[in-house]
Amino acid sequence: EVQLLESGGGLVQPGGSLRLSCAASGFSFSSYAMSWVRQAPGKGLEWVSAISGSGGRTYYADSVKGRFTISRDNSKNTLFLQMKSLRAEDTAVYYCAKDIVVAANSYYFDYWGQGTLVTVSS
Amino acid sequence: QSVLTQPPSVSGAPGQRVTISCTGSSSNIGAGYDVHWYQQLPGTAPQLLIYDNNNRPSGVPDRFSGSKSGTSASLAITGLQAEDEADYYCQSYDSGLSGYVFGTGTKVTVL
Repeated sequence: EVQLLESGGGLVQPGGSLRLSCAASGFSFSSYAMSWVRQAPGKGLEWVSAISGSGGRTYYADSVKGRFTISRDNSKNTLFLQMKSLRAEDTAVYYCAKDIVVAANSYYFDYWGQGTLVTVSS
Repeated sequence: QSVLTQPPSVSGAPGQRVTISCTGSSSNIGAGYDVHWYQQLPGTAPQLLIYDNNNRPSGVPDRFSGSKSGTSASLAITGLQAEDEADYYCQSYDSGLSGYVFGTGTKVTVL
């Protein structure tokens, strides 16, 4: 059974930093790209960042480029999101998700974690 | 912020059929990227509902179906049930943004 368990959320002041983790189990972690997707309170879903299975390629939404860093430790089956220079608009539930990429025209998420809440406020 | 447009809400009586549209552009759906749908029940994480335009993961009832044409896609729910009350999101890939894109989300209400 695939399981994704996020942790590391909490309250942080504007301009501060936070590191999220996602512990994965039930599948060959290093064989799959992984993503972070966030959802602001009462709002829709927004893709944040993705990383290839090897960790050699990373991708970011324009809204977080230069402030967030995605990484992974395949020896520990863990995905990370380092967030810096946090803003009020980064307040959201952050989900980690397992990516599926098929034939270069199909990109989606087949499993999601339960999410961790990040609140940026003074 | 969302690149794909959905109606904010749709509603129907139990047993009825409802559809949710998802409108994109030439850099995402119209470029040939597949469309996927997620169901988000209140207070829970999204779950994959339809993948590759019209395929259901194991365990998803055949009351849910998807289609895609041109720069748009749609999700149909037939035989609407109370347990279908949820938010639904379409998702694709955008070559201009080089990333995943979601729809604005649609709340389905069972009357």
